[in-house]
Amino acid sequence: DARVTQTPRDKVTEMGQEVTMRCQPILGHNTVFWYRQTMMQGLELLAYFRNRAPLDDSGMPKDRFSAEMPDATLATLKIQPSEPRDSAVYFCASGLGHLNTEAFFGQGTRLTVV
Amino acid sequence: AQSVTQLDSQVPVFEEAPVELRCNYSSSVSVYLFWYVQYPNQGLQLLLKYLSGSTLVKGINGFEAEFNKSQTSFHLRKPSVHISDTAEYFCAVYASGGSYIPTFGRGTSLIVHP
Repeated sequence: DARVTQTPRDKVTEMGQEVTMRCQPILGHNTVFWYRQTMMQGLELLAYFRNRAPLDDSGMPKDRFSAEMPDATLATLKIQPSEPRDSAVYFCASGLGHLNTEAFFGQGTRLTVV
Repeated sequence: AQSVTQLDSQVPVFEEAPVELRCNYSSSVSVYLFWYVQYPNQGLQLLLKYLSGSTLVKGINGFEAEFNKSQTSFHLRKPSVHISDTAEYFCAVYASGGSYIPTFGRGTSLIVHP
């Protein structure tokens, strides 16, 4: 059963610390998304990769957030330094890159910055 | 650019009652429409999708949705809900010829009471 795997599932960290979230997309998928979900803002797109190249990161605060795909099996989202307002659930999703196919979501990483 | 409006942020309903979750979209081109469900502490998963053809689409767990082009709507329905249907429901749209980035609505929280 192919699925998107995210680690860690939960992360509690102190303000100012670096946080790295990891995502293993479904094998064969060529698009990867990072979303942030909060009660106030709902689902926000942070970054979008196609064939490992970043195509859209306009939703991501550039001063502290960075997203990369070192290889086809790993996507990372890093926050440095973290702030309490970054507390949210972060989702990774992958897809086949066609408009008539859905995105497959991971279980999410719940980040709490204290 | 396309947009999605989910008209109700919360829909309470009693078990075995029918339910309709509303979704309206705007786009200047033809669209592909999706409904996702998010159970507590989980990622989003696909319920159903409309690509073309019959405007009535059937999905998992007894849900169905009807595409209405003239009203630019894609409402989700279930004739008899169960406690286990309590979840967040998201409508999403891809625009034909657009980028492979879905536009999500803010979500509707379906709360099923015994």
